Amino acid sequence: QKEVEQNSGPLSVPEGAIASLNCTYSDRGSQSFFWYRQYSGKSPELIMFIYSNGDKEDGRFTAQLNKASQYVSLLIRDSQPSDSATYLCASVDKLIFGTGTRLQVFP
Amino acid sequence: NAGVTQTPKFRILKIGQSMTLQCAQDMNHNYMYWYRQDPGMGLKLIYYSVGAGITDKGEVPNGYNVSRSTTEDFPLRLELAAPSQTSVYFCASSYDSNPSTDTQYFGPGTRLTVL
Repeated sequence: QKEVEQNSGPLSVPEGAIASLNCTYSDRGSQSFFWYRQYSGKSPELIMFIYSNGDKEDGRFTAQLNKASQYVSLLIRDSQPSDSATYLCASVDKLIFGTGTRLQVFP
Repeated sequence: NAGVTQTPKFRILKIGQSMTLQCAQDMNHNYMYWYRQDPGMGLKLIYYSVGAGITDKGEVPNGYNVSRSTTEDFPLRLELAAPSQTSVYFCASSYDSNPSTDTQYFGPGTRLTVL
């Protein structure tokens, strides 16, 4: 089992919808997580960091962490075509990344 | 500030050749990292450094070497290039390791092909 696992997608959502991206992890020692966005051919950029159980909101983005179930999710509200990118989940403690989920937002 | 810079942007190597990927940052960051990203995959940590003179292995260090003689520079050395090292290499830096107070800044990447 991979330490940090994501569905590669693509996840296709219409403009204005909520995009839900999920990530599961195997090591209970992982306490905190990053979500990065990566446009094709570009370097990753940090969107969110979460270390507490529950939700963390920043603008249109909400990260959710459930340590009991060992999953992390990222919700993008009011999705825009400019959100089309690959979203990478990473364990901060181990600096291990998932393979990323490709999101496509169509007009 | 230029942020994190990497050179070269692209490189093609023959099997067995060696090269150094350069990485520099002008943000006075203590921590620096090297990652590789294979097509359609996430990033894998090769080496990292918590300060000048201190380096440590990451998830996939085999075939690579690093040094950190200054705070600003963190070069990655490939001694005997192999096709399995074909990848995009990203360098990153952060002031410290506490992500609640700081973040990793990534360079633009070096696309390396070994034939």
